[in-house]
Amino acid sequence: NAGVMQNPRHLVRRRGQEARLRCSPMKGHSHVYWYRQLPEEGLKFMVYLQKENIIDESGMPKERFSAEFPKEGPSILRIQQVVRGDSAAYFCASSPGDRGEETQYFGPGTRLLVL
Amino acid sequence: RKEVEQDPGPFNVPEGATVAFNCTYSNSASQSFFWYRQDCRKEPKLLMSVYSSGNEDGRFTAQLNRASQYISLLIRDSKLSDSATYLCVVIPPGFQKLVFGTGTRLLVSP
Repeated sequence: NAGVMQNPRHLVRRRGQEARLRCSPMKGHSHVYWYRQLPEEGLKFMVYLQKENIIDESGMPKERFSAEFPKEGPSILRIQQVVRGDSAAYFCASSPGDRGEETQYFGPGTRLLVL
Repeated sequence: RKEVEQDPGPFNVPEGATVAFNCTYSNSASQSFFWYRQDCRKEPKLLMSVYSSGNEDGRFTAQLNRASQYISLLIRDSKLSDSATYLCVVIPPGFQKLVFGTGTRLLVSP
């Protein structure tokens, strides 16, 4: 059973470009979460999605950031007009979504560097 | 006050030592608690869930004290491979998101 997959693993962008990060949850998991880890800081929740629905986006910056989890295909975290402060590791996690099953399993992350 | 607070360390211990990490959380209504482990530049991995009755997994023991809003992790007979950052994690009531402490760094030396 493949784990959570993220790609790309490393992404370099220049200021003002767009970054697209992809996450495929574990097989059988219908809930996806995105977290950001800034250098030398802890992980911070960004957004929680189920298929075609955003459930909780309380951790998303108000501008430039968006997320989706379409009916088919991976979840996408999109950052428009990137700035240097967006440089971080972005981790995706998934959970089964079964009642009472809360364990979240993390992907290897995408390391974004903005030049 | 931060939602989850941990001593950042580092804790430097020799192989074979016993080491304990503590964590406090601010929301008394929180119901779910975990310890994750994160190696340098890797993803967090679930180490164990934490229950009021306490739980043990080999050399690792986790305890929850709801009255004091305090979670602990005890590692016995430390191995070199235990060197990592240990993350205290809480799920606040009414949410599915994980709230992470900043982590406690452990260095086990020969």
